[in-house]
Amino acid sequence: DSGVTQTPKHLITATGQRVTLRCSPRSGDLSVYWYQQSLDQGLQFLIQYYNGEERAKGNILERFSAQQFPDLHSELNLSSLELGDSALYFCASSATTGDLTDTQYFGPGTRLTVL
Amino acid sequence: DQQVKQNSPSLSVQEGRISILNCDYTNSMFDYFLWYKKYPAEGPTFLISISSIKDKNEDGRFTVFLNKSAKHLSLHIVPSQPGDSAVYFCAAISSGSARQLTFGSGTQLTVLP
Repeated sequence: DSGVTQTPKHLITATGQRVTLRCSPRSGDLSVYWYQQSLDQGLQFLIQYYNGEERAKGNILERFSAQQFPDLHSELNLSSLELGDSALYFCASSATTGDLTDTQYFGPGTRLTVL
Repeated sequence: DQQVKQNSPSLSVQEGRISILNCDYTNSMFDYFLWYKKYPAEGPTFLISISSIKDKNEDGRFTVFLNKSAKHLSLHIVPSQPGDSAVYFCAAISSGSARQLTFGSGTQLTVLP
């Protein structure tokens, strides 16, 4: 158990809908990262927040957005969902400097299915 | 355009022998490399990392080698154990102000008892 929690575990929705995935980092960790793992694309880094501010951005679509709240939990919002958005979404957290080289601890993931 | 490539989707080795997982990269701006292990239904777990100023880093049974001129890194696991059976991802971080983290597609390692 990494100490990172993600809710919900599974989510099934329809095309065109909007969903919110939630992540609680390990106690004391200031950085939160979001990743997408689709069947054919491997693991893709989406975005990083450090103490409430966006720190690094990866291949995040414009239909997706994220934020980190004062209590350090984070939410990933996915809108206008398409079939291709079906994937496992991982959240990770890290403690140290907020740099991408910090050791990251991953949550168990949220499996999103878009029908 | 895959900047980090793991060309072997799978690898099988006998328990007790050495496992060698390979990773190639194309972006010369990458200056930090990591290996993660992932079991089914779990998130990835950090294994070991290496900075581009080194060519080797060792942690217990795990050693990562970096060959900058060949843009190649490898993970050696010695001795391999059945519990090492998992998907292994290599990842690279680019230097500069807009740092990027890029993963390879993974290699499924199976250690046979």
